Amino acid sequence: AQSVTQLDSQVPVFEEAPVELRCNYSSSVSVYLFWYVQYPNQGLQLLLKYLSGSTLVESINGFEAEFNKSQTSFHLRKPSVHISDTAEYFCAVTFSDTGNQFYFGTGTSLTVIP
Amino acid sequence: GAVVSQHPSWVICKSGTSVKIECRSLDFQATTMFWYRQFPKQSLMLMATSNEGSKATYEQGVEKDKFLINHASLTLSTLTVTSAHPEDSSFYICSARPGAAGGAGELFFGEGSRLTVL
Repeated sequence: AQSVTQLDSQVPVFEEAPVELRCNYSSSVSVYLFWYVQYPNQGLQLLLKYLSGSTLVESINGFEAEFNKSQTSFHLRKPSVHISDTAEYFCAVTFSDTGNQFYFGTGTSLTVIP
Repeated sequence: GAVVSQHPSWVICKSGTSVKIECRSLDFQATTMFWYRQFPKQSLMLMATSNEGSKATYEQGVEKDKFLINHASLTLSTLTVTSAHPEDSSFYICSARPGAAGGAGELFFGEGSRLTVL
């Protein structure tokens, strides 16, 4: 069965500290991976994605994620967080044999503490 | 990037009434749109896949007669919550992907619609 797991439901971290939000998936076929961010009462915004090529992908606001096929992971990292990074983060996966279907993790609530 | 717009952002209605939520792709054509429901502090639950010119495909457990979906054009899909009850109160989000129905391009999401049924 195909699934996405975000191991941490809540992650509090102090401002300017590093953070890692974990995402693991289960699949026997090729995958395409995404991280979305959701601010309160808003839709989801794409943060970054991995489709092919370099396994390390970066966003414009300092986040990066690395696709690790052997560990079936796509963890999100940022070396120094800001207050404005406080939000809900969702890992999403689509698999090559399911066409449109996106699978979302349960989300990780990141709270940056001043 | 591509823009998906939802309207209304907030809606409050009385129990027993029907509410329509619109989802528009503003700068691309979308043969397929997706409707999600999100409960507080939870992930997105796919409700249905809206297909332009044909019937929507509903996920297991989603009542098609309760949640009517119409995808009459390549840029507009509507979700109508019929005879709404307080348990239908939720955050509804639509999404679409530019280009062909298959492939791995990212989903673009609307801003979401907060429905409160009194």
